[in-house]
Amino acid sequence: QKEVEQNSGPLSVPEGAIASLNCTYSDRGSQSFFWYRQYSGKSPELIMFIYSNGDKEDGRFTAQLNKASQYVSLLIRDSQPSDSATYLCAAPQGDTGGFKTIFGAGTRLFVKA
Amino acid sequence: NAGVMQNPRHLVRRRGQEARLRCSPMKGHSHVYWYRQLPEEGLKFMVYLQKENIIDESGMPKERFSAEFPKEGPSILRIQQVVRGDSAAYFCASSQRLAGQSYNEQFFGPGTRLTVL
Repeated sequence: QKEVEQNSGPLSVPEGAIASLNCTYSDRGSQSFFWYRQYSGKSPELIMFIYSNGDKEDGRFTAQLNKASQYVSLLIRDSQPSDSATYLCAAPQGDTGGFKTIFGAGTRLFVKA
Repeated sequence: NAGVMQNPRHLVRRRGQEARLRCSPMKGHSHVYWYRQLPEEGLKFMVYLQKENIIDESGMPKERFSAEFPKEGPSILRIQQVVRGDSAAYFCASSQRLAGQSYNEQFFGPGTRLTVL
């Protein structure tokens, strides 16, 4: 069974700090990875995707991928209370042409004002 | 460009009734996915469809659940003879595959919250 593992949290950080969210995956065939944010009672919204080893930055968000270690992370700089949400890591399965996506259970983030 | 649309947003059924959930993908998207989310849990893949074809239904229970994506109209997830354990949020997502694209970005609808009494 291919899996995506995340620490369920909650992760609590003070406003202005860096929040670090981590994810590991078991399918070596996965080529791309997605981070979604989900506010309570709402649907997931895509915030970043990454498919190359290394870092990818977009505003206050940085995604990091290490395929050798099967590890992907999301850093949120200058965390704001509005960043408080559940963050879902997702990995398309390689043997399905990338179309069947496995989601982690999510990490709950609280940013304290 | 309208996003993924789902209806109804909330659905209440009594045990034994049928539930029909509808999903209209984003314009230009030909791939539809259904996920189920129980309270305080992650998204569980149920089924992946393209127009008129079920591509992967490995996450869907073998009994009582079915899905379709007809040539015309929305995708429908159908749950027959609902039980209390079917109470959950059901999300639909859609995507498109562009030539040479190696990743699959999915966009989610607002979800249907099913409550079984």
